[in-house]
Amino acid sequence: AQSVAQPEDQVNVAEGNPLTVKCTYSVSGNPYLFWYVQYPNRGLQFLLKYITGDNLVKGSYGFEAEFNKSQTSFHLKKPSALVSDSALYFCALNTNAGKSTFGDGTTLTVKP
Amino acid sequence: NAGVMQNPRHLVRRRGQEARLRCSPMKGHSHVYWYRQLPEEGLKFMVYLQKENIIDESGMPKERFSAEFPKEGPSILRIQQVVRGDSAAYFCASSPLRTESYEQYFGPGTRLTVT
Repeated sequence: AQSVAQPEDQVNVAEGNPLTVKCTYSVSGNPYLFWYVQYPNRGLQFLLKYITGDNLVKGSYGFEAEFNKSQTSFHLKKPSALVSDSALYFCALNTNAGKSTFGDGTTLTVKP
Repeated sequence: NAGVMQNPRHLVRRRGQEARLRCSPMKGHSHVYWYRQLPEEGLKFMVYLQKENIIDESGMPKERFSAEFPKEGPSILRIQQVVRGDSAAYFCASSPLRTESYEQYFGPGTRLTVT
């Protein structure tokens, strides 16, 4: 069985500060990991993914994520947060059957 | 290239009625996924379909829920005899191929309210 955990329901940061949204996973076999963002009353938008190769993955809007196999983590990061980054963030794990397992989401609030 | 289309965006049904939710995948995408998002919760997988085939329906409730993706036309998620607990946002996603390395493209969702 596979699972994704986002240990923080809420993350608050000040604008201009670095942000981290945490994600850990459990899967047998190779992990295929994704981050999505959801704005209010909207669908999810793809941010970035890790398939293989470099552990540091860069994505949209200045976000990046670091894959750490030993810690089974895939934390989302951004060096300098913007107020417009405030949204709900989901970490997801794909299986080779195509199904995605999503974490419960983390609400990021960036205060000016 | 139009994105994933879902309609209606909002649907209100009384208990016992039927709800039909439609999803048109992105052009060129033949794989469709349905998810449900309850208030204050994450996305829960419901069903994965290809044209004319249900690949994985392990997340579908055993009764009242069904899904199809016909050769022509949109994918349909059908909920019969709706109950208040069915009130949620239902999201459809599509991808071009059946492979774990592809991200999914999400529609804007249908918000179902059962009164």
